[in-house]
Amino acid sequence: DTTVKQNPRYKLARVGKPVNLICSQTMNHDTMYWYQKKPNQAPKLLLFYYDKILNREADTFEKFQSSRPNNSFCSLYIGSAGLEYSAMYLCASSRAGQGNERLFFGHGTKLSVL
Amino acid sequence: GQQVQQSPASLVLQEGENAELQCNFSTSLNSMQWFYQRPGGSLVSLFYNPSGTKHSGRLTSTTVIKERRSSLHISSSQTTDSGTYLCALDTGNYKYVFGAGTRLKVIA
Repeated sequence: DTTVKQNPRYKLARVGKPVNLICSQTMNHDTMYWYQKKPNQAPKLLLFYYDKILNREADTFEKFQSSRPNNSFCSLYIGSAGLEYSAMYLCASSRAGQGNERLFFGHGTKLSVL
Repeated sequence: GQQVQQSPASLVLQEGENAELQCNFSTSLNSMQWFYQRPGGSLVSLFYNPSGTKHSGRLTSTTVIKERRSSLHISSSQTTDSGTYLCALDTGNYKYVFGAGTRLKVIA
C-alpha cells in the first residue's frame, strides 16, 4: 500500500478557532511533510518530521504545530485560524537515504476559514 | 528570490503534439522530482532524476546540473495528459522546493 491518507478531505473553520489535520502512511517512511498550497502558487513547506525530530520552517514557525505519536501518523495543528490559512494542506512522506527519495502525497485537506 | 522557476505557466496542445516543460533552479541540487496532478487528484511522482535522462513511456525527464535546469518532455500528447505538472528540487537535508507548476490542457 503506497498511499498517504489525509483526514478530513474538507474542513470548515471559524476565525480564531483551532484546526487539527491528520495524516497517516503505512509504508514505514521515516520522513513526513506538511505543505500548504494556494491556487496558482507553489506548494510551500511548513514543517517536516525526520523520525521523531520536528523541523519547522522559519517563516511559519509560530503558526503551525505538529505531532508524530508514532511512525505512521502525523498531525498539523493551527492554534488560532486566520483567513490567510485558507488553503489546501498536503501531507507527504518519503524514506530517506535510499538514493530514490520519492515523495508520496495524500489527496490533501482543503481548509476554508470563515 | 525564487529557487525554482517553472515554465510555461500554462499550455494548450492539440492531441498528438509534443510538450516540453522546464524547471530552472538557482540553488544546489540533490535531485529533481517531477509530479503530475490530475484535476481533483493527488500529486503523483513521475520521475526522481538527479542527473541525465530517464524515460517512462511517452515521458522523458532530463536534468542538467551544470545548466541548473530540468525538463519534462511529453510526446504524442493525449487528452488524459491534461492536468498540472510540478517539479520539486531536492536540496538535500530532506527539503523539497517546488515550482508553481505548468497547467496543461490537451484538446482532441
